[in-house]
Amino acid sequence: DADVTQTPRNRITKTGKRIMLECSQTKGHDRMYWYRQDPGLGLRLIYYSFDVKDINKGEISDGYSVSRQAQAKFSLSLESAIPNQTALYFCATSESRGQETQYFGPGTRLLVL
Amino acid sequence: AQSVSQHNHHVILSEAASLELGCNYSYGGTVNLFWYVQYPGQHLQLLLKYFSGDPLVKGIKGFEAEFIKSKFSFNLRKPSVQWSDTAEYFCAGEGSGNTGKLIFGQGTTLQVKP
Repeated sequence: DADVTQTPRNRITKTGKRIMLECSQTKGHDRMYWYRQDPGLGLRLIYYSFDVKDINKGEISDGYSVSRQAQAKFSLSLESAIPNQTALYFCATSESRGQETQYFGPGTRLLVL
Repeated sequence: AQSVSQHNHHVILSEAASLELGCNYSYGGTVNLFWYVQYPGQHLQLLLKYFSGDPLVKGIKGFEAEFIKSKFSFNLRKPSVQWSDTAEYFCAGEGSGNTGKLIFGQGTTLQVKP
């Protein structure tokens, strides 16, 4: 079974719609991250959470919000989707120490029309 | 500003050829460096990482990377590639302070022809 899961795997939505991407992990890690991947730009950090009560903005948080419902769950919301948010979104987890490997989910491919 | 750059965006090699993918970083202090790989249709997974000590680090599947502080580089190498190495490769850096925040390079797509 996958350690980090993301739902949905693919989503098409329209401009202005609210959409939520969900991430769950069974690794027992405290830290969780949301990235977006765009061709030629690599992965960029949107938000990260060190525990349920510690949520921080990443490099490109504008237009996004997150919720850490439990240690195992970290959701990303687009309050009003726009076409330039079309991208591949990845969730990742890691242990609490620095220098730790991040474990990635399979990604959610989002298309905003 | 902190950054990680990969200069080779698309590399095409024949099987058995040697591979070297470039990665340069810009960080103010100490840095931890990683190489991740994304095989077609699969999750990103760690190939190798460097924190300190021996600057030559070995990873999975015969990959290695060398940290050269004077050149701000962390290039990925493999002596003989296989068709199964076809994937996208990402270099990433983490600044000091137990941040957990990774900055990724742009990625390099490697295509290995059988």
